[in-house]
Amino acid sequence: QSVLTQPPSVSAAPGQKVTISCSGSSSNIGNNYVSWYQQLPGTAPQLLIYDNNKRPSGIPDRFSGSKSGSSATLGITGLQTGDEADYYCGTWDGSLTWVFGGGTKLTVL
Amino acid sequence: QITLKESGPTLVKPTQTLTLTCSFSGFSLSTSGVGVGWIRQPPGKALEWLALIYWNDEKRYSLSLKSRLTLTKDTSKNQVVLIMTNMDPVDTATYYCAHRDMGIYDDAFDIWGQGTMVTVSS
Repeated sequence: QSVLTQPPSVSAAPGQKVTISCSGSSSNIGNNYVSWYQQLPGTAPQLLIYDNNKRPSGIPDRFSGSKSGSSATLGITGLQTGDEADYYCGTWDGSLTWVFGGGTKLTVL
Repeated sequence: QITLKESGPTLVKPTQTLTLTCSFSGFSLSTSGVGVGWIRQPPGKALEWLALIYWNDEKRYSLSLKSRLTLTKDTSKNQVVLIMTNMDPVDTATYYCAHRDMGIYDDAFDIWGQGTMVTVSS
C-alpha cells in the first residue's frame, strides 16, 4: 500500500488526452516537489516531469504536470501507441524518505 | 553523459546478505548536491525506494528497511555499494540505482541504471 495513491489503470484512444492523478498528504506532496516517471515495458524508469511541472530536455511538450494542494496530475495529450507504459509519481515524505506512487498502467486503445 | 550500472549476484539464498554495486560515470559523488539512490521493483509490482547517499555522505533509508540496509560510497572508484542483510524471497526484485542532482532537477532521479534482477531462493 503506497503512501501516494494512483489509479491502477487508465486508457484512451490514440490522439486523445489522458490524465493520471497522484494523491498524497501535507507531509509529502503538499510540501514537496513531485516528479513523474515513465516505465516502458521491460525498461528502466525515465524522468518525465520534475519540480511539479518542468520537463527535462528531450521530453515532448505533450507531457505536462501540475500540482494542487496534496495532489498532482500528469497529463498526456496527442496519445500515441508508444506512450503505453507504467507511470509513477514520486516525492519526499517528511523530507527524510522518498516515496513512489503505486503506478498507473496506460493503455492506448 | 551520465551512466549508471548495477552489478551483483543474480541469486541469493534466504538469510544471506546481498551486496550490490552501482558503478557510474559522467558525474562525481564529491560534487555538492549530487546523490545516488537505490530503488527496487518486484516482478509485476510498483517501484519501491530503498536508500539515498549524498555527496557529503549523508544517507537516507526507507523506514521499513532501515535496519537491513547499509550504503557506502567510494568517490575515487565512482561506486556506491548497497548492502541488504537477511534476504527473503519477498526481496526478489529488479534493483536500480539512479542519479540525483539537487542543483539541476531539485527533487527527482533524472538518470537510472538498467537494473539488475536479484532472485532470493534456496
